[in-house]
Amino acid sequence: RKEVEQDPGPFNVPEGATVAFNCTYSNSASQSFFWYRQDCRKEPKLLMSVYSSGNEDGRFTAQLNRASQYISLLIRDSKLSDSATYLCVKDTGRRALTFGSGTRLQVQP
Amino acid sequence: DTAVSQTPKYLVTQMGNDKSIKCEQNLGHDTMYWYKQDSKKFLKIMFSYNNKELIINETVPNRFSPKSPDKAHLNLHINSLELGDSAVYFCASSQEVGSGGFSYEQYFGPGTRLTVT
Repeated sequence: RKEVEQDPGPFNVPEGATVAFNCTYSNSASQSFFWYRQDCRKEPKLLMSVYSSGNEDGRFTAQLNRASQYISLLIRDSKLSDSATYLCVKDTGRRALTFGSGTRLQVQP
Repeated sequence: DTAVSQTPKYLVTQMGNDKSIKCEQNLGHDTMYWYKQDSKKFLKIMFSYNNKELIINETVPNRFSPKSPDKAHLNLHINSLELGDSAVYFCASSQEVGSGGFSYEQYFGPGTRLTVT
């Protein structure tokens, strides 16, 4: 089983829609989780960290459920510019990150 | 100014050749990384250096050898290139924050697209 598993998508949604991605992970010892965003043929960039209490950054909300070992990302009022691949990430505890294979989002006009 | 830079951006070479990819960061970070992203877009850690010291070496063939001349540079040398080495290689850096804590925001370079023919 992969350490971080994501639905590859693509998720095709209209502008203004709300879309949610889930990600499951193994190795419950991981302490830190993140969502990164990767545009086509570009480098990954940190979108937001994920906390058990949940955290919100504008239209983006991230949630961590340690009991069920899953992480979620909710995007409200989708914009065309949100089209990208969203990478679910956890720390390895050794100053390195383990990336999921990503969920592709395509927002359509 | 580019925070993490890599050269070259594209590298096309034949099997059996030896090649190097260079990485530099101007963020003052103490930890640098090499990741490989294969054709299925799966991004996997290869190496990690902290203050010029190797701290992670995943199950990477010993044809791959990282070299860190100083904290701001981490180069990747690949010997006897194989078809399966074709991928995008990303360099990244991050900074430890506080005593024993880590700032996990890793800043990635633009990537080097390696094609082995």
